[in-house]
Amino acid sequence: SQQGEEDPQALSIQEGENATMNCSYKTSINNLQWYRQNSGRGLVHLILIRSNEREKHSGRLRVTLDTSKKSSSLLITASRAADTASYFCATDAWGGGSWGKLQFGAGTQVVVTP
Amino acid sequence: DTGVSQNPRHKITKRGQNVTFRCDPISEHNRLYWYRQTLGQGPEFLTYFQNEAQLEKSRLLSDRFSAERPKGSFSTLEIQRTEQGDSAMYLCASSATGGTGYTFGSGTRLTVV
Repeated sequence: SQQGEEDPQALSIQEGENATMNCSYKTSINNLQWYRQNSGRGLVHLILIRSNEREKHSGRLRVTLDTSKKSSSLLITASRAADTASYFCATDAWGGGSWGKLQFGAGTQVVVTP
Repeated sequence: DTGVSQNPRHKITKRGQNVTFRCDPISEHNRLYWYRQTLGQGPEFLTYFQNEAQLEKSRLLSDRFSAERPKGSFSTLEIQRTEQGDSAMYLCASSATGGTGYTFGSGTRLTVV
């Protein structure tokens, strides 16, 4: 079963607009990570936020984490056509005697039109 | 180092045949993970290794699936007696330690006909 659930499932915006997607999860985590996947390709790591952090920035990306609500959000500012992809949140859950095993949600499909 | 390499990129096989996939991780990474992804879904965890030790196997991994990582370098994932339900993208990833981001390969797309 997948721990994270993204919302919305799909998002269509125009270039220059901001895109926000949310992730909810169920159990305690060590960290939460966001990945991007272009069609038919592998996933690319975007950003990692630890359980004791509330907000993190990387370029045009802003991630928040609310451990009390077990939720996270990813904001992409000033979107570009190249941001068209599926975005996944992944939670680092305890497994096999250590942290480090990621569980992924079903993803949000983002389409940015010129 | 050019990242995580997976071979082959595509594999078409007949039902009942055995297939083997290979993953070459980033050489400095001691963690290696296998995931399976079907269309429209996120990756599902299959198994992972720390060096040559297989630390965890998902219940999704039936007895027909086996993974190895001899000497803690490359890994292979074998599926015996393939079924149509095995058709999916098989993704490999590596990381330096637990609690850090993964580097994914481009995946092996398996089609069972």
